[in-house]
Amino acid sequence: QVQLVESGGGLVKPGESLRLSCAASGFTFSDYYMSWIRQGPGKGLEWVAYISDRSTYTNLADSVKGRFTISRDNAKNSLYLQMTSLRAEDTAVYYCARELLTTGSPFDIWGLGAMVTVSP
Amino acid sequence: QSVLTQPPSASGTPGQRVTISCSGSSSNIGSNTVNWYQQLPGTAPKLLIYVNNRRPSGVPDRFSGSRSGTSGSLAISGLQSEDEADYYCAAWDDNLHGVVFGGGTKLTVL
Repeated sequence: QVQLVESGGGLVKPGESLRLSCAASGFTFSDYYMSWIRQGPGKGLEWVAYISDRSTYTNLADSVKGRFTISRDNAKNSLYLQMTSLRAEDTAVYYCARELLTTGSPFDIWGLGAMVTVSP
Repeated sequence: QSVLTQPPSASGTPGQRVTISCSGSSSNIGSNTVNWYQQLPGTAPKLLIYVNNRRPSGVPDRFSGSRSGTSGSLAISGLQSEDEADYYCAAWDDNLHGVVFGGGTKLTVL
């Protein structure tokens, strides 16, 4: 079935780095734009980054620009989020999500999420 | 502070009709379509409404959406206890070149 599975979350100290991965299955990964979305403890959803199907276009939220990088490997059906200079405010569950092939960037498939905790 | 504005809470009794509003601006809802997500406690969000008023396969027709000007709205009719969840609106923002979300509305079924 169509599935996204995140991995790579964990506990890190401020200033450290972490790389999240998202493994896709059950669909043609290379046909879809993908995004990372996060949710802080007890907070709402925050879009973090998107990448186009062939990696031609990417963009990141201002809150992570210059510190995070989004990438993908279509041969491995995988999406990545490289996070550096992590801060306490980056603590959140990070979801990878597939964008439906239509206007307005609706996210129709979500992973279960990976928890990232940034704490001394 | 979220770019899109939603009421923090809403409530209704079983069988009632409830609406949740989502206010934006010309750079997001005013020029792009609105999507709605349902997040049950402890689970990942689920796409509920997309392109203003379309329902993905499997979403009951009790859920409907609309957009007018710079605002969107989600309506739930025939409220059921399993509808108790957090609801988020979202739209593409032309200025930020990314997706913006509302702060979420916690729906309580009394």
